[in-house]
Amino acid sequence: DIQMTQSPSFLSASVGDRVTITCRASQSISVWLAWYQQKPGKAPTLLIYQSSTLETGVPSRFSGSGSGTEFTLTISGLQPDDFATYYCQQYYSFSTFGGGTKVEIK
Amino acid sequence: QITLKESGPTLVKPTQTLTLTCTFSGFSLKTSGVGVGWIRQPPGKALEWLALISGTDDRRYSPSLKSRLTITKDTYRNWVVLSLTSMDPVDTGTYFCAHTRRDYDVVTGDYNPLYDYWGQGILVTVSS
Repeated sequence: DIQMTQSPSFLSASVGDRVTITCRASQSISVWLAWYQQKPGKAPTLLIYQSSTLETGVPSRFSGSGSGTEFTLTISGLQPDDFATYYCQQYYSFSTFGGGTKVEIK
Repeated sequence: QITLKESGPTLVKPTQTLTLTCTFSGFSLKTSGVGVGWIRQPPGKALEWLALISGTDDRRYSPSLKSRLTITKDTYRNWVVLSLTSMDPVDTGTYFCAHTRRDYDVVTGDYNPLYDYWGQGILVTVSS
């Protein structure tokens, strides 16, 4: 099984901040990495796939990078609507999610 | 417009079998490149992938739950059914179904299923 380790698990930030979340795979997954945003009581929504491709309709302040085992999600200029929990997911072999990063208002 | 909705019991007893239905619209599960997967989330915890069925009837299961899971589809009624046997309180959580599309790597030609549309989820509690 491929394990996904996300860090940090909790992040406190202010509107306008640049935020970076890291995801590490236990083995190489090439670029088969997606990022999701989840708000309380809602289903996750797809933000980024293939490590760095923005899903249609997702604001350009979201960006992703990485390949192999190290990946990052960056939010440039945090907006009030961005306070949520973020998950990475590998879809190279079956699927595995990271533990999540909760982004809260400082 | 792709939509999915989960239905089934919201309370099951330990040792019982959970059967959930994902009813969808806006796509056909008769074609390759399309699939429906199941993911669950215990209260306050992370997402856990469970299973996937494709339009070609290829089925994949979480290795840790494979012995307890069955996924099937009805392409005429547009639904996918997930069964999970021997339910335990640790299986309590919200169960989501999701549409998958074939995501291609233009460099290598490889492809994998990408979970792009999700249902609202159904909270299932396991308790006697």
